[in-house]
Amino acid sequence: EAGVTQFPSHSVIEKGQTVTLRCDPISGHDNLYWYRRVMGKEIKFLLHFVKESKQDESGMPNNRFLAERTGGTYSTLKVQPAELEDSGVYFCASSPGAGQGYEKLFFGSGTQLSVL
Amino acid sequence: SQKIEQNSEALNIQEGKTATLTCNYTNYSPAYLQWYRQDPGRGPVFLLLIRENEKEKRKERLKVTFDTTLKQSLFHITASQPADSATYLCALGLSGGYNKLIFGAGTRLAVHP
Repeated sequence: EAGVTQFPSHSVIEKGQTVTLRCDPISGHDNLYWYRRVMGKEIKFLLHFVKESKQDESGMPNNRFLAERTGGTYSTLKVQPAELEDSGVYFCASSPGAGQGYEKLFFGSGTQLSVL
Repeated sequence: SQKIEQNSEALNIQEGKTATLTCNYTNYSPAYLQWYRQDPGRGPVFLLLIRENEKEKRKERLKVTFDTTLKQSLFHITASQPADSATYLCALGLSGGYNKLIFGAGTRLAVHP
């Protein structure tokens, strides 16, 4: 069974540009999450999809970030325009349950984003 | 303020010994707690989950305890091996919080032959 895949693995862009990250969850997993680690700090929650609906987007830092999950399969996270403080590792995770908690998450390897 | 603290310094132990990692939290009331392992350049990998009404969980060489009075979880790896070297993350799950996990910064474990 394929795991959670993220693309690209690395992205280097200039401040003000747009970047789109993609996540393919494990097939059949209704729940998809985005997390990120910035500046060597702890991993922080960004948002949670159940199928194509946003269950919780309380961790999204501002309106420069837009996440979508059309059709309830893969998800994209777009940053527009990117700022220096957006640099970090963006992780996607998925889980198969009802999304009510108490579930283990399956993480991808992350996208390392560097904004120069 | 709310915070989660894990050993900030790396933990160095000899192969065969037991590694004990600590996760303390303040001003949270977690419904459950999870431990993950992370290797460089990889995403976290789930290890164990323990609920607030459970004192201890075991899985092979791993053991986790959860003390809601002390607001602390301990993670033990017995008979440690160099392959256990990695960063270990604790993550809190809140009641009603779906799977929104709150992560600690992690503890780096190095097991020496």
